[in-house]
Amino acid sequence: DIQMTQSPSTLSASVGDTVTITCRASQSINSWLAWYQQKPGKAPKLLIYKASSLESGVPSRFSGRGSGTEFTLTISSLQPDDFATYYCQQYSSYYRTFGQGTKLEIK
Amino acid sequence: QVQLVQSGAEVKKPGSSVKVSCKGFGGTFTKYAIGWVRQAPGQGLEWMGDIIPIMDSTNYAEKLEGRVSLTTDESTSTAYMELSDLRSEDTAVYYCARGDYGLHGPLFYFDHWGQGTLVTVSS
Repeated sequence: DIQMTQSPSTLSASVGDTVTITCRASQSINSWLAWYQQKPGKAPKLLIYKASSLESGVPSRFSGRGSGTEFTLTISSLQPDDFATYYCQQYSSYYRTFGQGTKLEIK
Repeated sequence: QVQLVQSGAEVKKPGSSVKVSCKGFGGTFTKYAIGWVRQAPGQGLEWMGDIIPIMDSTNYAEKLEGRVSLTTDESTSTAYMELSDLRSEDTAVYYCARGDYGLHGPLFYFDHWGQGTLVTVSS
């Protein structure tokens, strides 16, 4: 299976900050990577697909980059609603795998 | 508007089985893949498997192979996940999620999710 490793596991930031979360794949997944946001007690929500394509309705302060094995999710000008847990997921393989998650906390 | 509605919470004994349903509203059910993802308390997301009705195809996570079975009933636009030989470590919220196989083929991501179903395994 393709292993996905996110860093950091926890990130503290303030409203208005810009933050970046990294996701690394154990082998090349081209650009077949999605990012999801999850809030407590809620289902995950798709933010980004194909590494850098913004899902309809998602604010433009969210952006994704990368290809191959290294990917980033950047959130610019953090808003109070952005404090949540973020997961990357590869869909290059029939056997999809998620990163372990990054919890974005208010500083 | 696309919506996936899952069945209610379950409490099961160790060794028994559970079957969770996921009914789709909006869109042509057969052209989509349905994936199942679970989340143990306080833990991350774990992909369990996918079913692609139009291809009559399933893929399962290796660690669950043999215990999990994914099926669909196209007449009611409902997908099912059955997990057998339940253990305490299967206690989790189980989510179904839709992938647009018709548009992306096997390279689909999950664009819509069900609300989740809590399965508690306890003696």
